[in-house]
Amino acid sequence: GENVEQHPSTLSVQEGDSAVIKCTYSDSASNYFPWYKQELGKGPQLIIDIRSNVGEKKDQRIAVTLNKTAKHFSLHITETQPEDSAVYFCAATDSGAGSYQLTFGKGTKLSVIP
Amino acid sequence: GAVVSQHPSWVICKSGTSVKIECRSLDFQATTMFWYRQFPKQSLMLMATSNEGSKATYEQGVEKDKFLINHASLTLSTLTVTSAHPEDSSFYICSAPLGTSNEQFFGPGTRLTVL
Repeated sequence: GENVEQHPSTLSVQEGDSAVIKCTYSDSASNYFPWYKQELGKGPQLIIDIRSNVGEKKDQRIAVTLNKTAKHFSLHITETQPEDSAVYFCAATDSGAGSYQLTFGKGTKLSVIP
Repeated sequence: GAVVSQHPSWVICKSGTSVKIECRSLDFQATTMFWYRQFPKQSLMLMATSNEGSKATYEQGVEKDKFLINHASLTLSTLTVTSAHPEDSSFYICSAPLGTSNEQFFGPGTRLTVL
């Protein structure tokens, strides 16, 4: 089965700086890679995703890059703000099987220091 | 984006009682829904896949007789924790994929506390 590793487990940055979170996956059949932001006591919120036919995707201050050969993908947040503080989860899935079952990383707690 | 709701948002119950949690897709239909459990400071652990009109598929180590799942319609799945014990206290979250797009949308979660 799929195995997703996520690093770092905690990350502190100064407001305005960039934050990078990295994930690796094991199943070469995986072709969909979403990132979720989870605030305390709430459900995960999809913030950006990327499919295996694309190397990079950007949405305002958030970007995701994918290296299929190396089987890793990263989340980049630029110009961080205090409201970016949350736990971020990466995930991977093989949609070819039609199950949409996600395998999650262990999460990264991001703290943005004002 | 699509909206998934859960009810209740939190529940406190006595040991030995059963608790039902509802998961609804509000503006789309979902033939499949997923139920997760999340302990403090941990990742989401998939418990089971709920399938409309058929039996749920449970992950290894999850007791199907304890965690009853019913996917009665294309917009509603329920998880019933039977004979709850303090170790069942956790944050339960459901999700539903939007059509064939892979995008999964999560509910706000239900905090279960068993005394």
